[in-house]
Amino acid sequence: ETGVTQSPTHLIKTRGQQVTLRCSSQSGHNTVSWYQQALGQGPQFIFQYYREEENGRGNFPPRFSGLQFPNYSSELNVNALELDDSALYLCASSLEAGGGTYEQYFGPGTRLTVT
Amino acid sequence: GDSVTQMEGPVTLSEEAFLTINCTYTATGYPSLFWYVQYPGEGLQLLLKATKADDKGSNKGFEATYRKETTSFHLEKGSVQVSDSAVYFCALSDRGSGGSNYKLTFGKGTLLTVNP
Repeated sequence: ETGVTQSPTHLIKTRGQQVTLRCSSQSGHNTVSWYQQALGQGPQFIFQYYREEENGRGNFPPRFSGLQFPNYSSELNVNALELDDSALYLCASSLEAGGGTYEQYFGPGTRLTVT
Repeated sequence: GDSVTQMEGPVTLSEEAFLTINCTYTATGYPSLFWYVQYPGEGLQLLLKATKADDKGSNKGFEATYRKETTSFHLEKGSVQVSDSAVYFCALSDRGSGGSNYKLTFGKGTLLTVNP
């Protein structure tokens, strides 16, 4: 069973640029969630995709957007990068089950640095 | 909204010492509760979970009991090892506002260092 993978591992961008981060979900999982983890903080929920549609969003501006593809892999796009966007971006996949108490499995993350 | 409060670290223990990391939560619904662990340079790994009141989650010698009356989910281990050194996150999962979105809400994390 293949786990959650993310690419790239590290990325350095300049303020104002755009970035795309990628995530491959665990085999059989149809839901992908993205989280931002600032240094020394807990992860903050950005949004979730279920069967290719956005299924909830956290308190992040519209310049954070995403996609989910038919194979359930996902992209996170961030436009007009700001210095505060520097963080570890985590992708988590899950299989929505009856009752909704499914587990989320995390990838290793992409470390984004904005200069 | 939902929130999770963890005891602030860092926590430094000697090998074989007893560990407790306190976690309390606020939620509007009936959340599931989780402990995740993050080793240096890695993503999050699920350590244990509990889905309803009085459930006890356990894994690798770690335990936590879902206490609805005190809205708590404290993590305990009877004898820690050097390999347990990591950051521990308490989290809850609850249905979003009217939808099927089970997002995780995390605490700020507690750094545990275990010395030989």
